[in-house]
Amino acid sequence: EPEVTQTPSHQVTQMGQEVILRCVPISNHLYFYWYRQILGQKVEFLVSFYNNEISEKSEIFDDQFSVERPDGSNFTLKIRSTKLEDSAMYFCASSDGTSGVYEQFFGPGTRLTVL
Amino acid sequence: GNSVTQMEGPVTLSEEAFLTINCTYTATGYPSLFWYVQYPGEGLQLLLKATKADDKGSNKGFEATYRKETTSFHLEKGSVQVSDSAVYFCALSATNTGNQFYFGTGTSLTVIP
Repeated sequence: EPEVTQTPSHQVTQMGQEVILRCVPISNHLYFYWYRQILGQKVEFLVSFYNNEISEKSEIFDDQFSVERPDGSNFTLKIRSTKLEDSAMYFCASSDGTSGVYEQFFGPGTRLTVL
Repeated sequence: GNSVTQMEGPVTLSEEAFLTINCTYTATGYPSLFWYVQYPGEGLQLLLKATKADDKGSNKGFEATYRKETTSFHLEKGSVQVSDSAVYFCALSATNTGNQFYFGTGTSLTVIP
């Protein structure tokens, strides 16, 4: 069964460093998303991406964040200069957009630890 | 605005016990409601969904009914198994906010033999 994959599963970085989190969405999907969950808190929406551009973004998704679909398979989230408060689990999701409720399929997550 | 409030965990039950995990929501527009489950080391998997008031979603013995009058979508299962141990997330998608999902905090369930 097709699934969303994410790498790495765990990333440790120093404050101020750049990180790139990678996702491979399901191949025929058209909509892509990033969410994050700070430990003990809600899963929060960051950004959605469709047709090679951002379609929605939350207040969290400031200038330190960017997303890219560099080729036909990968979808990346870049944090330019990490802060301690960026430590969280980051989930990638994709949907095909054909069902009326846009069911989203999630990856296993990348745990980002900023020291 | 849109938000989901979910029963705090962790929840520990004996095998074959009855499970209820409460979920209430606030939404503008006409939301669709979901329960996702996350098994250890895996991604969020859709467990069930309901797209309009009074719809009942069901899967693997789990059920939830979309109650507009009480703005609730409580998850229930009549007899839990050890394999149901996981984290359960309630979520909504509101038509007036595109495709973004709003999640609850998640409820960790442990079922002991």
